[in-house]
Amino acid sequence: QVQLVESGGGVVQPGRSLRLSCAASGFTFHNYGMHWVRQGPGKGLEWVAVVSSAGTVTYYEDSVKGRFTISRDNSKNTLYLQMNSLGTEDTAVYYCAKEGSGVGYLAFDVWGQGTMVTVSS
Amino acid sequence: EIVLTQSPATLSLSPGERATLSCRASQSISSFLAWYQQRPGQAPRLLIYDASNRATGIPARFSGSGSGTDFTLTISSLEPEDFAIYYCQHRNNWPPAATFGGGTKVEIK
Repeated sequence: QVQLVESGGGVVQPGRSLRLSCAASGFTFHNYGMHWVRQGPGKGLEWVAVVSSAGTVTYYEDSVKGRFTISRDNSKNTLYLQMNSLGTEDTAVYYCAKEGSGVGYLAFDVWGQGTMVTVSS
Repeated sequence: EIVLTQSPATLSLSPGERATLSCRASQSISSFLAWYQQRPGQAPRLLIYDASNRATGIPARFSGSGSGTDFTLTISSLEPEDFAIYYCQHRNNWPPAATFGGGTKVEIK
């Protein structure tokens, strides 16, 4: 069964750091690019970052560039998001998502259940 | 940067009715468009990829069409579980960033 399970969310003060994890199972993790997508309270979906299948290429949404770092450990089938200098605007549910296969590789065919990050003093 | 504009923001329909949702891109994106369904408290679920291909396990009442700048998601006959928010999404090879539309909420009339 293909599955993504996020963890690491919680309540954190502004300016602090948090690291999210996403454990993958049921598919060949090292074959796929992986993404983080977030959703603020009552808001739409916002793409955050991507890492290539080998972990060598990363790309970020402008508002998180320089503060967030996406990475992966293919030996552990795990995706990470290191979030530094957090602000209240980063409060959201964070989802990890898997790139699709074949013709559908530009879409996200598997999503985790999400982990909530609340930035508040 | 590609901007995706979804309309309407809210669609009020009854079960059994046909739903037609629109997604317009700020410039041509060929057929590189996907649609997702998000029910309350749940993660998004892929419905359609590459504009018109149904994802695995998606019922035939869901169909996608369009290319270039104008795309449509059609639900032929609404089931109770179809009342949800629908998002369109685009991504290029490079840069590999994704863009989502603002969403259309399909609510029970």
